[in-house]
Amino acid sequence: GDSVTQMEGPVTLSEEAFLTINCTYTATGYPSLFWYVQYPGEGLQLLLKATKADDKGSNKGFEATYRKETTSFHLEKGSVQVSDSAVYFCALRHAGNMLTFGGGTRLMVKP
Amino acid sequence: DTAVSQTPKYLVTQMGNDKSIKCEQNLGHDTMYWYKQDSKKFLKIMFSYNNKELIINETVPNRFSPKSPDKAHLNLHINSLELGDSAVYFCASSQGTGVYEQYFGPGTRLTVT
Repeated sequence: GDSVTQMEGPVTLSEEAFLTINCTYTATGYPSLFWYVQYPGEGLQLLLKATKADDKGSNKGFEATYRKETTSFHLEKGSVQVSDSAVYFCALRHAGNMLTFGGGTRLMVKP
Repeated sequence: DTAVSQTPKYLVTQMGNDKSIKCEQNLGHDTMYWYKQDSKKFLKIMFSYNNKELIINETVPNRFSPKSPDKAHLNLHINSLELGDSAVYFCASSQGTGVYEQYFGPGTRLTVT
């Protein structure tokens, strides 16, 4: 079946450092891909998405590019802030609008 | 103006009890979902309802019974609670079952002792 694999955390960075969180997927067909963010004590919020190969999703300084050849959707940000500390989930969507999530990666940004 | 709300936010109960978690969305969406997030943060779909009808039921014990009295509500009833049911349960909704964004509620942390 479809699956999503993310790098295990926690990822600890200093403020203004460059962030990469790796995400790879296994799926039949061409699913849409997403990054969700979960701030402490809150529900998941959609961060960005890409619906077809080579699409780049971006929001709040975060970017991810849908790479069909490497089945990847890595999340990047050029300069992280303390307020970016959260858990990040990579997900794919398939039939019936079902989402399959990766295991989540906790990001901790220190001032 | 909460889009997707859940009650209660925290629920502590003993093994063997029966409990319910309520979910309401005011977005006018047709489709609602329940997800379970375990202690390791793994998030999995449990159920999906469209226009009050069940359309997805993943491998969930039949002690879990979702109920949708109308399109705006999807409640989760759990019978004979077990320690392994301890988790955070998220409700979500979307405009339909097609390519639509899902909006998540704040979650209900269930602790079974």
